[in-house]
Amino acid sequence: KNEVEQSPQNLTAQEGEFITINCSYSVGISALHWLQQHPGGGIVSLFMLSSGKKKHGRLIATINIQEKHSSLHITASHPRDSAVYICAVSVNRDDKIIFGKGTRLHILP
Amino acid sequence: GAVVSQHPSWVICKSGTSVKIECRSLDFQATTMFWYRQFPKQSLMLMATSNEGSKATYEQGVEKDKFLINHASLTLSTLTVTSAHPEDSSFYICSAGTGGNGYTFGSGTRLTVV
Repeated sequence: KNEVEQSPQNLTAQEGEFITINCSYSVGISALHWLQQHPGGGIVSLFMLSSGKKKHGRLIATINIQEKHSSLHITASHPRDSAVYICAVSVNRDDKIIFGKGTRLHILP
Repeated sequence: GAVVSQHPSWVICKSGTSVKIECRSLDFQATTMFWYRQFPKQSLMLMATSNEGSKATYEQGVEKDKFLINHASLTLSTLTVTSAHPEDSSFYICSAGTGGNGYTFGSGTRLTVV
């Protein structure tokens, strides 16, 4: 079993829909990251959080430390949001980062 | 906020040549930098951990003589892919930080070896 699990693996939605991507982890962490990877490979760091909730524009990230779970939400989704979203955790014991396999999001116009 | 600049963002090189990728922390000092690579349709995987002023620690299966890592200062780490082969074609990304303050990712480098 992977230490970081994301769901769903693939998601197709209509423009305007509210999107939720989930991430569960099984190790002790110091922080959780949400990354966005575009088709060319370029990575954009969206959030780094260790508790609670963060919001940036139409993106919201939440984390529940007790349940070892995080969600990334996109409100009023747009075709330009189409990308792979990756959840990654910084492991407490050695600061190394473990990545989820990513969620491929496709927003239809 | 903390910014990490990775350069180049993409590179094409001939088989047998060497390629250097830079990871630079722009507004903070990074005692530790991590290097990752991602093969097509796979997760990012850790290659090595680099601490300023000391030798890098490589993950199992990563050839240290092929992937040379230098972390000579608190703001710069470099990854050199030596004698590159087509199978080294991949996406390479670094992250930099100081442990307690978290880590920031570079934007990545897509390497294509022809």
